[in-house]
Amino acid sequence: GAVVSQHPSRVICKSGTSVKIECRSLDFQATTMFWYRQFPKQSLMLMATSNEGSKATYEQGVEKDKFLINHASLTLSTLTVTSAHPEDSSFYICSARERFYGYTFGSGTRLTVV
Amino acid sequence: TQLLEQSPQFLSIQEGENLTVYCNSSSVFSSLQWYRQEPGEGPVLLVTVVTGGEVKKLKRLTFQFGDARKDSSLHITAAQPGDTGLYLCAGAKGNKLVFGAGTILRVKS
Repeated sequence: GAVVSQHPSRVICKSGTSVKIECRSLDFQATTMFWYRQFPKQSLMLMATSNEGSKATYEQGVEKDKFLINHASLTLSTLTVTSAHPEDSSFYICSARERFYGYTFGSGTRLTVV
Repeated sequence: TQLLEQSPQFLSIQEGENLTVYCNSSSVFSSLQWYRQEPGEGPVLLVTVVTGGEVKKLKRLTFQFGDARKDSSLHITAAQPGDTGLYLCAGAKGNKLVFGAGTILRVKS
């Protein structure tokens, strides 16, 4: 099956610093990846669609300067939370769509900003 | 307004009971997926339904896609503690996957 690897699984950072989260498709090429945010006991909220070789498409209300997305290759997308603050603390999940297996999700990254 | 209305939000039942989770929308979806998510992990795909009226079974889980492809249900027979988790329905809208609010299921032994 299609595997998506997400790192790190947990990160704690100080307020004001930036954090980078990586999402890799291990055995398939993903021209499009998706980034979600999830609060405790709630559903996934789509933040942005990451397009290989072009700018990401952000959902309404998501600050593109706060959440920088780079999709430089067919197997890697990164989400950088810039100048993180405690309210950015959340569970971030990436996803990629594979032709036969459909949407596959990473294992998520728990970000805690202190 | 949620594009996909999922109900109930919370469900706490005894082992052996049956349950149904509903996912409804006013929009038509090309496909609809059901996922199960454990705390601290990403969602894991249970099933994808594509054809209106389709019924799929996965052991004790039965999934149904409405004739008009606007709604779906997940029925669990004889629930077990191992079924505990967050169940999510998601509809494909173009390239994107739109999620329902989720159903937290707790099965007590």
